[in-house]
Amino acid sequence: ETGVTQSPTHLIKTRGQQVTLRCSSQSGHNTVSWYQQALGQGPQFIFQYYREEENGRGNFPPRFSGLQFPNYSSELNVNALELDDSALYLCASSLDAGWETQYFGPGTRLLVL
Amino acid sequence: AQSVSQHNHHVILSEAASLELGCNYSYGGTVNLFWYVQYPGQHLQLLLKYFSGDPLVKGIKGFEAEFIKSKFSFNLRKPSVQWSDTAEYFCAVKENTGKLIFGQGTTLQVKP
Repeated sequence: ETGVTQSPTHLIKTRGQQVTLRCSSQSGHNTVSWYQQALGQGPQFIFQYYREEENGRGNFPPRFSGLQFPNYSSELNVNALELDDSALYLCASSLDAGWETQYFGPGTRLLVL
Repeated sequence: AQSVSQHNHHVILSEAASLELGCNYSYGGTVNLFWYVQYPGQHLQLLLKYFSGDPLVKGIKGFEAEFIKSKFSFNLRKPSVQWSDTAEYFCAVKENTGKLIFGQGTTLQVKP
């Protein structure tokens, strides 16, 4: 166990809807990163938050947004869902941004119909 | 753009066979290197990591990996696999920005 939890475990939405996924980092970890893992692929970096500020972003459109809270929890929000957003969404926490090892949660599997 | 390439997408071995999974990356600067494992139905777990120093690193469950800077490679090895090693293995490279770049993954199936 990594001490990183995510909710919900599974979610079904329809195209055009909005979704919020939640992550609880290890206590003391100032950095959370979010990844999208499509079936049969490696995780793709969405963005990273460090001390509640966005600290880097991958090739994802602005309809993917996030929040990080002082209590080591964070959210990933996706607006205007598309079928291709169906994937496993992973959060990973680390002590600090930069070189620190990231510890992954179990993921939320999102299905968009 | 930086990329990570895992040469073997699907590997099938018998128990006690030796394992080597290839990983190459394209980034020329200072990197940290990782192997993560995802057992069926479980989350990504850190297998081993290389930050600096001895290029031969040992991880959990008898796995090891060798960093060869001149070849931009970080291959994973295990002398004798077990049925319980059946899983998906991901090589990842981390830049100093904190961004982890993953390879496509290798599915390892070990036959008892």
